[in-house]
Amino acid sequence: DTGVSQDPRHKITKRGQNVTFRCDPISEHNRLYWYRQTLGQGPEFLTYFQNEAQLEKSRLLSDRFSAERPKGSFSTLEIQRTEQGDSAMYLCASSLLGSNSPLHFGNGTRLTVT
Amino acid sequence: RKEVEQDPGPFNVPEGATVAFNCTYSNSASQSFFWYRQDCRKEPKLLMSVYSSGNEDGRFTAQLNRASQYISLLIRDSKLSDSATYLCVVNEGYSTLTFGKGTMLLVSP
Repeated sequence: DTGVSQDPRHKITKRGQNVTFRCDPISEHNRLYWYRQTLGQGPEFLTYFQNEAQLEKSRLLSDRFSAERPKGSFSTLEIQRTEQGDSAMYLCASSLLGSNSPLHFGNGTRLTVT
Repeated sequence: RKEVEQDPGPFNVPEGATVAFNCTYSNSASQSFFWYRQDCRKEPKLLMSVYSSGNEDGRFTAQLNRASQYISLLIRDSKLSDSATYLCVVNEGYSTLTFGKGTMLLVSP
């Protein structure tokens, strides 16, 4: 399977703990995106990378969130001091360069903060 | 960042019906447009890109109206398996894609 893969699929954590998610994009895709989705809403943009450079971050991405893509391949999204409001599906997607390139999503990581 | 608006539905239609969804976008500089399909608790999957001249893929037809700033999706001969949420997606030229909240379609026997 050469699609986008995310790990873990599910994460349950207690408020205040740190969590880290991983995303492996489609290998030839330069761009990697993180989105967050809650029930009844569309995916909301968090941040994106072109190769290893983080080019844009949403205002939704508070100081507790950090994302990296150190070698321009896989990416990690870390949430520090989790809050109940962080509970959501975290979706990773990748694409080729170009404004007409669609996103290809992974299965997502569902985070529940108790 | 500007907005992408969709009627959340649900649209309840019988099998075999034709159904259409519209989506409006507020940024006139938007460059590319897509429809995604999302099944319950699954990731969004690309249904089709939307081209300026309109395009068709089997039972699905997408149209773009730049003057009125909306795109549409027409589904003919609805199947039970078409039941899903349809997400309108707009690239505003910032290299990120903005999603609408989605329109839920329920196709009944």
